[in-house]
Amino acid sequence: QVHLRESGPGLVKPSETLSLTCTVSGASISDYHWSWIRQPAGKGLEWIGHIYGSGNTNYNSSLKSRLTMSADTSKNQLFLRLTFVTAADTAMYFCARGRGTWSWYEWAHWGQGILVTVSS
Amino acid sequence: DIVMTQSPDSLPVSLGERATINCRSSQSLISTSDNLSYLGWYQQKPGQPPKLLIFGASDRESGVPDRFSGSGSGTDFTLTISSLQAEDVAVYYCQQYHSIPPTFGQGTKVEIK
Repeated sequence: QVHLRESGPGLVKPSETLSLTCTVSGASISDYHWSWIRQPAGKGLEWIGHIYGSGNTNYNSSLKSRLTMSADTSKNQLFLRLTFVTAADTAMYFCARGRGTWSWYEWAHWGQGILVTVSS
Repeated sequence: DIVMTQSPDSLPVSLGERATINCRSSQSLISTSDNLSYLGWYQQKPGQPPKLLIFGASDRESGVPDRFSGSGSGTDFTLTISSLQAEDVAVYYCQQYHSIPPTFGQGTKVEIK
């Protein structure tokens, strides 16, 4: 049974860097595709980016200039780093995994999410 | 980016009645490699992450009740709940994964009439 858990600070100041961790159990992160997805309160879902294997990534072009995704296979953890945050980055942040090793964006497994608020 | 548009935004349905949600994409979601439509449907209840119901436009994810069904191909898709149960009250999203970035519809809120 795969389990994903997001962690990190719930409050980040404007212009600073948002750093989140997704800790995975029940599956090796090396074998699957992983995405970060966010959702502002009461609004829709936005794909942030995707990481696979040794660190191959795809980013949403709207965030690409501020975004870095990485992984630590020894700890089975995924990382998201978003620089120069503004209030528009306030959202629930989820990590998610596809249905199987072949699956990039059919997200069958999700963490519970972490609420990040950008405010001074 | 592919734009996904759902209708309606809100759908009141009586218990036991059929609920139908439509989703339209701005481009065809048919893959030239396998002729499948790369379209998924998710259910999201308050305080929970989305749950995958349907992938490939019409394939039901494991454990999803058979009252949920998906249909359509190309640019027009439908999610049907054949007999609405109280636990089906949620927001439903369609999502395309034909092209990067994967994108979602704006959501349809299903409630009890």
